[in-house]
Amino acid sequence: QSVLTQPPSASGTPGQRVIISCSGSSSNIGSNTEHWYQQLPGTAPKLLIYGNNQRPSGVPDRFSGSKSGTSASLAISGLQSEDEADYYCAAWDDGLNGVVFGGGTKLTVL
Amino acid sequence: EVQLVESGGGLVQPGGSLRLSCAASGFTFSTYWMSWVRQAPGKGLEWVANIQQDGSKIYHMDSLKGRFTISRDNAKNSLYLQMNSLRAEDTAVYYCARFYSSGWDDAFDIWGQGTMVTVSS
Repeated sequence: QSVLTQPPSASGTPGQRVIISCSGSSSNIGSNTEHWYQQLPGTAPKLLIYGNNQRPSGVPDRFSGSKSGTSASLAISGLQSEDEADYYCAAWDDGLNGVVFGGGTKLTVL
Repeated sequence: EVQLVESGGGLVQPGGSLRLSCAASGFTFSTYWMSWVRQAPGKGLEWVANIQQDGSKIYHMDSLKGRFTISRDNAKNSLYLQMNSLRAEDTAVYYCARFYSSGWDDAFDIWGQGTMVTVSS
């Protein structure tokens, strides 16, 4: 049981916009910035979004993040076949004194 | 090129010990927090531990305290994870990650390729 809650799966067709949710609490997302990771099959995770919707160099602006209270969302617009991957949210948790992850969402591009 | 390369994984019997290493290059290692994150086969990501730049602050996942210890050697640009009393549930790919922390936001911004640890008799 992960501290952050994500839907186990999501799907969309090429060109569509998909949103992945991440629900937390006041001790993590509610008081700290969230970050999002993409993990392609058989590879290490890659940072997609951090801070206030910041993207590392090389991450397309099709990826965006937002937060409201204790929940966060990752939006992927103009869905492409190469976006098929697992996506994880994470945040520092003040109560646990550590980083907590969501269980991951497997995105399928139909 | 910024790079993290893990080593030291392998097959170990339950109750055994293993020391993972992570060699950093391409950035000033001593100015970053560093972390270990693991992923059991077919499962999600799980944070293991963080260590501050000079090693003065260390955080471990509660359930691992007493068995796992993170450490670093800035002179060698290296991060370590000492794992004792290993259990089958510790079987996972262990990733070394750079933990970017600005004071108001943070993230694992660089990841190694991972090293597999299998605990089995």
